[in-house]
Amino acid sequence: AQSVTQLGSHVSVSEGALVLLRCNYSSSVPPYLFWYVQYPNQGLQLLLKYTSAATLVKGINGFEAEFKKSETSFHLTKPSAHMSDAAEYFCAVSDPGQGGKLIFGQGTELSVKP
Amino acid sequence: DVKVTQSSRYLVKRTGEKVFLECVQDMDHENMFWYRQDPGLGLRLIYFSYDVKMKEKGDIPEGYSVSREKKERFSLILESASTNQTSMYLCASSLAGALYEQYFGPGTRLTVT
Repeated sequence: AQSVTQLGSHVSVSEGALVLLRCNYSSSVPPYLFWYVQYPNQGLQLLLKYTSAATLVKGINGFEAEFKKSETSFHLTKPSAHMSDAAEYFCAVSDPGQGGKLIFGQGTELSVKP
Repeated sequence: DVKVTQSSRYLVKRTGEKVFLECVQDMDHENMFWYRQDPGLGLRLIYFSYDVKMKEKGDIPEGYSVSREKKERFSLILESASTNQTSMYLCASSLAGALYEQYFGPGTRLTVT
């Protein structure tokens, strides 16, 4: 069965510092991978997705993620954190044989200190 | 602009009541989903539908049912609400196929007292 693990339920960084949010997946087939962001009292918004075209994927708001098959990882990074990045971030995996169902990680809450 | 709307942002119901949560999408998407979100547990799939009148159970279907009579509308029904169903409920839709992202509504925070 597929699963997603996000290391760290809370991550705190200073404004201007590197953001690194970790995601590891398990899947029996090459997966499609997604990062979503959720701001307070809102639904989820897609940040970026990996669908096997390129291993380094760029998303909105300066975020990017790299698919590493050997490490079964899809970590999310941003070179310089901004106060507006404070939110909850979810990694998700989609099995190509499952027609669109997503398996979500537990989420990582990002805090940005001034 | 892509739009998924949910009938209520906040809802308070009493134990034993029948509760309807409505979701409408305007993107002509085949797939629609209902999740519940609880702190530390991420999003858990309750039910999904890949076509009108079609439904499949997700990971936690107990205590819930769904209805999809029209392509754009997907309803979640709590037949007899219980306090352990107090949660945030999120609806999403997508095109058919695993590589397509899901679009989410703003969520309904349901409190059962």
